[in-house]
Amino acid sequence: DIRMTQSPSSLSASVGDRVTITCRASQGIGNDLGWYQQKPGKAPKRLIYGASSLQSGVPSRFSGSGSGTVFTLTISSVQPEDFATYYCVQHKSYPLITFGQGTRLDIK
Amino acid sequence: EEQLVESGGGLVKPGGSLRISCGAFGFPFKTVWMSWVRQAPGKGLEWVGRIGVTTDYAAPVKGRFTISRDDSKNMLYLQMNSLKTEDTAVYYCATERSGWIPDYWGQGTLVTVSS
Repeated sequence: DIRMTQSPSSLSASVGDRVTITCRASQGIGNDLGWYQQKPGKAPKRLIYGASSLQSGVPSRFSGSGSGTVFTLTISSVQPEDFATYYCVQHKSYPLITFGQGTRLDIK
Repeated sequence: EEQLVESGGGLVKPGGSLRISCGAFGFPFKTVWMSWVRQAPGKGLEWVGRIGVTTDYAAPVKGRFTISRDDSKNMLYLQMNSLKTEDTAVYYCATERSGWIPDYWGQGTLVTVSS
């Protein structure tokens, strides 16, 4: 099984900060990776697919990069509505997909 | 406007069964692959299974859960048998129209397995 490990598990940031979240795969997955945002009590929202393709309607301050085993989600200038938990997911082992454990972003 | 609405969650005893449903609105349901993903209280996301050309399941639920759909009613179902306490979670249905991972998600329905 392909395991996904996110770091950090949580971080604090101020509005306007640049934030980077890392996701590491236990084996190479090419660019078969996506990112989700989830706010408390709400459903996840897809931000990124194919490692770097921005989902329609998602602000351009969100970006994804990486390939192989190391991937990053970057928020160029954090806004108040961005405080949430973020998950990566791999689909290299499709039809099976596996999520990272999540990274909680909260206000400093 | 597209919408997914889950229903049927509730409290069930260990070893029991439950069927949850997902109604789809505002998009051509019969052409779309659909997934179920769950989230235990305070925990992360866990893929449960998908119905597309084939139907596939995660190892923890294989043999106990069955995904089906009724395209005439725009409905997706998850039949859960031999339920365990560790199946307690919010269950989300989601579309899978691009990118090989769920794109649009419903708001979820809570299933609690407890004696």
